[in-house]
Amino acid sequence: DIQMTQSPSSLSASVGDRVTITCQASQDISNYLNWYQQKPGKAPKLLIYDASNLETGVPSRFSGSGSGTDFTFTISSLQPEDIATYYCQQYDNLPPDFGQGTKLEIK
Amino acid sequence: EVQVLESGGGLVQPGGSQRLSCAAAGFTFSSHAMSWVRQAPGKGLEWVSSISGNGGRTYYADSVKGRFTISRDNSKNTLYLQMNSLRADDTAVYYCAKDSYGGNPSKFDSWGQGTLVTVSS
Repeated sequence: DIQMTQSPSSLSASVGDRVTITCQASQDISNYLNWYQQKPGKAPKLLIYDASNLETGVPSRFSGSGSGTDFTFTISSLQPEDIATYYCQQYDNLPPDFGQGTKLEIK
Repeated sequence: EVQVLESGGGLVQPGGSQRLSCAAAGFTFSSHAMSWVRQAPGKGLEWVSSISGNGGRTYYADSVKGRFTISRDNSKNTLYLQMNSLRADDTAVYYCAKDSYGGNPSKFDSWGQGTLVTVSS
C-alpha cells in the first residue's frame, strides 16, 4: 500500500496568514492526489483534485501543487471559515488511502 | 443538485450484522463509481469499499474484506453496504461518496452526511 504522510498534524495560524500543508507519498503517484476539507461535525468536501485543480465553487485562496511524491496545499489568506481538518488522498493505486489529516486552528 | 443520503446506522452487538443504504439523486447514478468511507470517533478518514458504475467491479480495504459486501441497484439509484461479523473497531460514521468517474475509485466529489454505526454489547 502507498503511505501518505501529512505534515504538520496540527497548525495554528492567524486570519490573513498564508498556510501550507504538505503531503508525501511513499512512492510516485504522478498527480493522482486530492485534497479535502472537513469542518467539525460535517462531511468532507473535495477542494483540489489531480494535485492542482480547483473544484468548482471553491474559493481561489485555496491551491495545490506538486507531483510524484511531494505535494503542497496552500491557503493564501486564512479566513475564519477555513477552520477544519484537511486530508490528502491518493488514487494512483488501491487502496485510495487518505493522509492522517491536518487540524487547522485560528490563533 | 447532487444528493446522497445514507441510512441504516445504529447500535449492533459484536458479531452482528447491519446493512447501510445510500440513496442518490441529481446525477446519472449508473455512470459513477460509489464508495463507502468511514471515520472512527476522533480519528481520520478510512476508505472502506468501492463499486464501479455498472457494479461489475468491487474493491475492499483489507480491514473489511470477507466481512463487508458492497452492492448497488442502479434501477433504484441506491448503494448498499452489508456488514457482517461486526467488531468494536468497526464503530464509525460511515459516509457514502460519489466518484467523479465510473471505474476505479478516484476523486470523491460528493458526500452524504454520514450514518453512525456503533458496535457494542
